[in-house]
Amino acid sequence: AQSVAQPEDQVNVAEGNPLTVKCTYSVSGNPYLFWYVQYPNRGLQFLLKYITGDNLVKGSYGFEAEFNKSQTSFHLKKPSALVSDSALYFCAVRDFYSSASKIIFGSGTRLSIRP
Amino acid sequence: EPEVTQTPSHQVTQMGQEVILRCVPISNHLYFYWYRQILGQKVEFLVSFYNNEISEKSEIFDDQFSVERPDGSNFTLKIRSTKLEDSAMYFCASSERKGARDTEAFFGQGTRLTVV
Repeated sequence: AQSVAQPEDQVNVAEGNPLTVKCTYSVSGNPYLFWYVQYPNRGLQFLLKYITGDNLVKGSYGFEAEFNKSQTSFHLKKPSALVSDSALYFCAVRDFYSSASKIIFGSGTRLSIRP
Repeated sequence: EPEVTQTPSHQVTQMGQEVILRCVPISNHLYFYWYRQILGQKVEFLVSFYNNEISEKSEIFDDQFSVERPDGSNFTLKIRSTKLEDSAMYFCASSERKGARDTEAFFGQGTRLTVV
């Protein structure tokens, strides 16, 4: 079965410092990976996706993610964190064994950026 | 920019009552989904819908749940007899192409359901 794991429940970073939110995946075949962000009391917003091609994917709000096949990882990164980046981040994978290719989410990582 | 819209944003209901959560997916999308999230935790798949029928459902989606696309634009989730444990944020989502793995799903802002 397709799955993603987010090993950290919480990540704390000082504003201006680089941030990394970790995600590892377990899939059969080629992975289709996504990052979503959820701001307080809001819906899920798409940040970026990896389908194929360049291992470094750029997305919204200055975020990027690095796909690493040998480590089965898809970590979310940003060179310089902003307080406004504080939110709940979800790594996700398309389950293409599912008839509807549903998206399966990780458990989420709460990112807290201190001023 | 097109978006998925959900109404109401917050619904409070008494245990045992029926609720209907409403969603308007993005107009040219073909696949529709409901997910739920309990207290800011993991986002769980409930059901997917394509071509006017359920494509897949999770073990959470029991006989108390149903979905419908009554008029070609709205997509509804009905809970027949709500339980306290149904309290959660419910998200509607839609995808552009048939089961396309490389497309993202677009999510609505959610309906917070509180069962008292």
